[in-house]
Amino acid sequence: KQEVTQIPAALSVPEGENLVLNCSFTDSAIYNLQWFRQDPGKGLTSLLLIQSSQREQTSGRLNASLDKSSGRSTLYIAASQPGDSATYLCAVRVGTSGSRLTFGEGTQLTVNP
Amino acid sequence: DTEVTQTPKHLVMGMTNKKSLKCEQHMGHRAMYWYKQKAKKPPELMFVYSYEKLSINESVPSRFSPECPNSSLLNLHLHALQPEDSALYLCASSPGRLIQSDGYTFGSGTRLTVV
Repeated sequence: KQEVTQIPAALSVPEGENLVLNCSFTDSAIYNLQWFRQDPGKGLTSLLLIQSSQREQTSGRLNASLDKSSGRSTLYIAASQPGDSATYLCAVRVGTSGSRLTFGEGTQLTVNP
Repeated sequence: DTEVTQTPKHLVMGMTNKKSLKCEQHMGHRAMYWYKQKAKKPPELMFVYSYEKLSINESVPSRFSPECPNSSLLNLHLHALQPEDSALYLCASSPGRLIQSDGYTFGSGTRLTVV
């Protein structure tokens, strides 16, 4: 059974810092990996999608990498801002026909002004 | 249109009530999902519809009844719920064609409170 772990569980940083969120998964047989952002009480917003054949994806200040063989992904946030405060969830797509997303527990990020 | 729309945003219901949650997408996606999320926890898969047919039921109690009337709509019918069913219910969709391996799009959720 696929298990996804995110470290750290919570992170508090001053504005302007560069930071790294970590995600690891136990079974390398994934179709893709997706990073989401969730604000309190809200739905999930997709940030980056990395296909299993890709190594990284970038969008603005965000960069996500994938090392499928070692079962790891990182989300790099450059020049953090208070508006980046949210919970960040990593999810891998697995299962017959890729019908399942397995989520990590998330990293709760607080960026202080 | 790149959104998944869920209604209502908030719902309070008694344990004897019957209500429905609705989800709509117009992206041509052929796979749709219901997830349940409790506070401080990741979403948990409930149901998967693929090409309007139920393909996965994660042993969800029968008081939750999904329905997919067409490729754009997904409903979740609720009956005789318990207070522990209070949660954020999320709908999601994906293209349903693994060749593209595209990602999921989530709605903003329905906050359900059972009293």
